[in-house]
Amino acid sequence: DTAVSQTPKYLVTQMGNDKSIKCEQNLGHDTMYWYKQDSKKFLKIMFSYNNKELIINETVPNRFSPKSPDKAHLNLHINSLELGDSAVYFCASSRPGGPRAQYFGPGTRLLVL
Amino acid sequence: AQTVTQSQPEMSVQEAETVTLSCTYDTSESNYYLFWYKQPPSRQMILVIRQEAYKQQNATENRFSVNFQKAAKSFSLKISDSQLGDTAMYFCVSYNAGNMLTFGGGTRLMVKP
Repeated sequence: DTAVSQTPKYLVTQMGNDKSIKCEQNLGHDTMYWYKQDSKKFLKIMFSYNNKELIINETVPNRFSPKSPDKAHLNLHINSLELGDSAVYFCASSRPGGPRAQYFGPGTRLLVL
Repeated sequence: AQTVTQSQPEMSVQEAETVTLSCTYDTSESNYYLFWYKQPPSRQMILVIRQEAYKQQNATENRFSVNFQKAAKSFSLKISDSQLGDTAMYFCVSYNAGNMLTFGGGTRLMVKP
């Protein structure tokens, strides 16, 4: 039943490691996003994919690489994790046409030690 | 660039009373949408209400309504008959044709019994 799902929900890791967060949506949406929410709760978009093609790539370190194997999935891979990467990462999706409300996943809390 | 400002970092309201959360935005777009999202302690981002900028009529969703003042670029959220489950962080969000969501800094609302 879950519309937008993310795994894992919690991720604790050491600096320098490489980790991935997976996102899947079963809403039939064409566009998917990754957001970062910092400790002050501020949300900022990182990436947006439409039909597996990158359409928004905000200023994020190139250690972050999104991968979209199909339009229902948008995974986020992070290389060489740093302390400042600790945050909650949200995946979202939206359909084309009409008011583009985005539907969010439950978030992944990443803690880099 | 779009900006969204929420001037009230925290608010509280007694159960069953009415509360209004303020939001102002700035955009050069002529076609845009505005949303309020709610983030309860569970961290899930939930769409509360949406408003199309070309519509003059204020949107309503059950106990939630907005006061959309386009000339003043103001988009406030009114919650009537507040319930304990309304306790959450509320984000005012703008959307433009570039498929971008811009989030305000959030207002933490506490509903007191």
